[in-house]
Amino acid sequence: AQKITQTQPGMFVQEKEAVTLDCTYDTSDPSYGLFWYKQPSSGEMIFLIYQGSYDQQNATEGRYSLNFQKARKSANLVISASQLGDSAMYFCAMREKSTGGFKTIFGAGTRLFVKA
Amino acid sequence: ETGVTQTPRHLVMGMTNKKSLKCEQHLGHNAMYWYKQSAKKPLELMFVYNFKEQTENNSVPSRFSPECPNSSHLFLHLHTLQPEDSALYLCASSQELLDPSYEQYFGPGTRLTVT
Repeated sequence: AQKITQTQPGMFVQEKEAVTLDCTYDTSDPSYGLFWYKQPSSGEMIFLIYQGSYDQQNATEGRYSLNFQKARKSANLVISASQLGDSAMYFCAMREKSTGGFKTIFGAGTRLFVKA
Repeated sequence: ETGVTQTPRHLVMGMTNKKSLKCEQHLGHNAMYWYKQSAKKPLELMFVYNFKEQTENNSVPSRFSPECPNSSHLFLHLHTLQPEDSALYLCASSQELLDPSYEQYFGPGTRLTVT
């Protein structure tokens, strides 16, 4: 079974509008972390935002917010006021317990295209 | 130098060659990782090191051989690779392994082409 599911291979958004990128996860561990990373065409993965499994409030970092719905096991990324530079691949990831510590598992990614 | 650096950025090698990928992190982290990113596939974890000790080998073929001489440096030695090994190889580091909240910092990757 997929541990991290990103159902949107590609998304289009108009510049200055908000967009939501979906992510669902599967774990039986009570302690885990959820992350979103951005990968521009240059290849480098850039950390955007983190949500802990025990956090009561949704995480926010500038224009990025994470819509955390624990009971539904979803961790959607919301990007407000999209900019042309937001065009990139976006990966949802979960850090869960493994032998030797916590291991990070990545989803397949969503490619976001921002239109002028 | 800051962050995580990787060399070379691009590498073309024949199936009988031996080459090495290098990763260096300047963040004072204790955990380092190798990932493989192929087209249209999720990022695949290959190896994990924590305080220079290997803690994970994700069923990686023996033609890939990692080395971690200290917490700042990580190598991936390559020999007798196959064309399907062509991919982007990403190195990452994090503070440590025992906390779920630590994000990973990635290098720019090495684009490997096996001919």
